[in-house]
Amino acid sequence: AQSVTQLGSHVSVSEGALVLLRCNYSSSVPPYLFWYVQYPNQGLQLLLKYTTGATLVKGINGFEAEFKKSETSFHLTKPSAHMSDAAEYFCAVSEGYGGSQGNLIFGKGTKLSVKP
Amino acid sequence: GAVVSQHPSRVICKSGTSVKIECRSLDFQATTMFWYRQFPKQSLMLMATSNEGSKATYEQGVEKDKFLINHASLTLSTLTVTSAHPEDSSFYICSARTGWETQYFGPGTRLLVL
Repeated sequence: AQSVTQLGSHVSVSEGALVLLRCNYSSSVPPYLFWYVQYPNQGLQLLLKYTTGATLVKGINGFEAEFKKSETSFHLTKPSAHMSDAAEYFCAVSEGYGGSQGNLIFGKGTKLSVKP
Repeated sequence: GAVVSQHPSRVICKSGTSVKIECRSLDFQATTMFWYRQFPKQSLMLMATSNEGSKATYEQGVEKDKFLINHASLTLSTLTVTSAHPEDSSFYICSARTGWETQYFGPGTRLLVL
């Protein structure tokens, strides 16, 4: 069975500081990994995804994440936080090809606060 | 990019009534649509998966007769909450997928049952 663990339900950074949101996964097959962002009272927006190939993935809004198989991690980073980055972030895993229907399994989410 | 819409964005209804929520993929054909429920400050819980033209597959613990899902076309799925009660109040989010990789999410529907 697959699972996702997001360390830290709440992360607070200062504007301009590095953003690091942690995600670890477990999967019995090669995973597809995703980061989504949710603003208050809105749905989820895809930030970036890893399927195959390059392990460093760049997404929208300056975010990137690196797939590290040996550490079963897919941490999300951004060099310099903006106030507009304040939101809830969800890491998700789905089975790759050969799996079932590739349903998403979500972590519990990390709320990012950005201080001026 | 792929856009998914939901209607209504929020709805208030009386206990015992039924509420229908629509989910549409606007610029792509979605062979699979998903319905999630999100409780305050929690993650998304998958309720059911629907494939166009076939019956929905419900997750364990989700009542099929309570949450009716119809996926009549490649661009529309509906979720009907039947005989709604206050405990059904929640944020309902749909997503749609083309291919095997990426789900695109709708903006969500806030349901409040009085």
